[in-house]
Amino acid sequence: AAGVIQSPRHLIKEKRETATLKCYPIPRHDTVYWYQQGPGQDPQFLISFYEKMQSDKGSIPDRFSAQQFSDYHSELNMSSLELGDSALYFCASSSRGNTIYFGEGSWLTVV
Amino acid sequence: QKEVEQNSGPLSVPEGAIASLNCTYSDRGSQSFFWYRQYSGKSPELIMSIYSNGDKEDGRFTAQLNKASQYVSLLIRDSQPSDSATYLCAVNPNNNDMRFGAGTRLTVKP
Repeated sequence: AAGVIQSPRHLIKEKRETATLKCYPIPRHDTVYWYQQGPGQDPQFLISFYEKMQSDKGSIPDRFSAQQFSDYHSELNMSSLELGDSALYFCASSSRGNTIYFGEGSWLTVV
Repeated sequence: QKEVEQNSGPLSVPEGAIASLNCTYSDRGSQSFFWYRQYSGKSPELIMSIYSNGDKEDGRFTAQLNKASQYVSLLIRDSQPSDSATYLCAVNPNNNDMRFGAGTRLTVKP
């Protein structure tokens, strides 16, 4: 079965640079979620989209933005990167109200 | 107070024993509860979901929910070394997103 696809899997950026992560949800899933997981930390909810509209917002920094496109894929844009942004970023999808399934994650390292 | 609380562990049990993982949540209106297993550097993998009070069994796993006490637990019977992972309790308070606990690290010793 198709799963949540994230790209790139690994990314290295310098401080103050910009990074973009992409997420392709499971087909027919209408909701996309972004989570950030630092080393040894639990996943922290950043933002979610339902039917291409932002549905909820968590601890997403102002330097980050995200959107969901007409084909339901989503992109997380991170600007003015800081060392503390180094983390594993998960995208997840669901059919609204049902179980959330995670992608394999994108490792971001800021140096 | 964090929305979802778990004992961070680590919890260590011998192979074949029962591992008991506990979780409490703060949003009394929550309706959906999940246990995810996460191996280091990997994405969380759904183990169990539970929506109504009582027990739900799936193989060696049993989830228990008590909404009055705002408490959900996961029992792993006949624990295996391959069960060694971090277990994340997750609560879906409003069908918009999932809130996670900090996770309990479980080690099953051969």
